[in-house]
Amino acid sequence: DAKTTQPPSMDCAEGRAANLPCNHSTISGNEYVYWYRQIHSQGPQYIIHGLKNNETNEMASLIITEDRKSSTLILPHATLRDTAVYYCIVRDYNTNAGKSTFGDGTTLTVKP
Amino acid sequence: DVKVTQSSRYLVKRTGEKVFLECVQDMDHENMFWYRQDPGLGLRLIYFSYDVKMKEKGDIPEGYSVSREKKERFSLILESASTNQTSMYLCASSPVPGQGNTEAFFGQGTRLTVV
Repeated sequence: DAKTTQPPSMDCAEGRAANLPCNHSTISGNEYVYWYRQIHSQGPQYIIHGLKNNETNEMASLIITEDRKSSTLILPHATLRDTAVYYCIVRDYNTNAGKSTFGDGTTLTVKP
Repeated sequence: DVKVTQSSRYLVKRTGEKVFLECVQDMDHENMFWYRQDPGLGLRLIYFSYDVKMKEKGDIPEGYSVSREKKERFSLILESASTNQTSMYLCASSPVPGQGNTEAFFGQGTRLTVV
């Protein structure tokens, strides 16, 4: 699986959009980008995934650059409960989801 | 709501004890996983199972064993607990790759302290 690079930490004001970047310059054509988050003392939770088109669901939006070497997870109106560690993972769709490599992620702190 | 349930949130055991961590999923998933999570080291895969009675070693299997007698249940066993096994343990399950959305579902975690 391709390696990803994320900033170690970010702050965001409550109610504002949180934009979390991820670099995955060695991504290959059949690898998807997945995002998970882990709220303190809980297990990771799936947020969203995509291949090359932008994706949106009830939790977030995922923007993937045209060359697929980077992506941004957008939380449109961050709340205090969005404070968590966010993990960007690149994985072949046919690779077992549980064998994903979770790095250090980005610690997002949403402030009042 | 899909669920992966771990039997304990917090556990304190003595060095040398045999420790069982239980995980149950209600999604009929074929694959189940055990990880440990330590500060600065991320999630590290201990063992996984892709079917009943089938198991494979992950990245750090030493000092651990697993059991999967039923599809919904995956147990992690510390044969003789040691202080360096103090950690957060996470269980996860996922369907067979390629079948719809292949996300992994995680339990709440068990924080094990070995004294």
